[in-house]
Amino acid sequence: TQLLEQSPQFLSIQEGENLTVYCNSSSVFSSLQWYRQEPGEGPVLLVTVVTGGEVKKLKRLTFQFGDARKDSSLHITAAQPGDTGLYLCAGAWYHSNSGYALNFGKGTSLLVTP
Amino acid sequence: KAGVTQTPRYLIKTRGQQVTLSCSPISGHRSVSWYQQTPGQGLQFLFEYFSETQRNKGNFPGRFSGRQFSNSRSEMNVSTLELGDSALYLCASREIAGNEQFFGPGTRLTVL
Repeated sequence: TQLLEQSPQFLSIQEGENLTVYCNSSSVFSSLQWYRQEPGEGPVLLVTVVTGGEVKKLKRLTFQFGDARKDSSLHITAAQPGDTGLYLCAGAWYHSNSGYALNFGKGTSLLVTP
Repeated sequence: KAGVTQTPRYLIKTRGQQVTLSCSPISGHRSVSWYQQTPGQGLQFLFEYFSETQRNKGNFPGRFSGRQFSNSRSEMNVSTLELGDSALYLCASREIAGNEQFFGPGTRLTVL
């Protein structure tokens, strides 16, 4: 199992602040995905990064994939209460018989207060 | 296009019983995967099916099994339930050639 370490585990900030969440691994992934999960619901896909060094922007969210495709970061600018949730990174790997699985980090629980 | 659906949403069972959970993938998605989510272990991969065959399996005991039907719908079974099986069970689907998985809302299983 390829381990993904996410940091920080918990983050509580005021509305308007910026934050960065990190996702690190010793393994190379074919792609890496970021999800956001609300309590009692399934994760919702935010973005997929595939190419080393890739940067993707989704409104106030900026995602970066490391050059070696082992790490990634999520930066939120001017956080809003609606950004509150559990942010999960997941590395994709392919099994020898074409199977596919996502290996998840433990997640970063973000609370944005007004 | 409708998303991934899972039934039931909530389930309460007692130790020793067995349970079957159901998942309908997004239309056109032939791959279905199952994950277990607990506060302590996070999200862990159980298995993946496509073309009615298990393609990949995580590190879970044989009490956890699944199957897929010709219409791509999938079921997951857990036999001889233990307290530690209490978790949110998530189903995800993807296109065979795709690298993105889309999750359903999950089934919350509580074992008493």
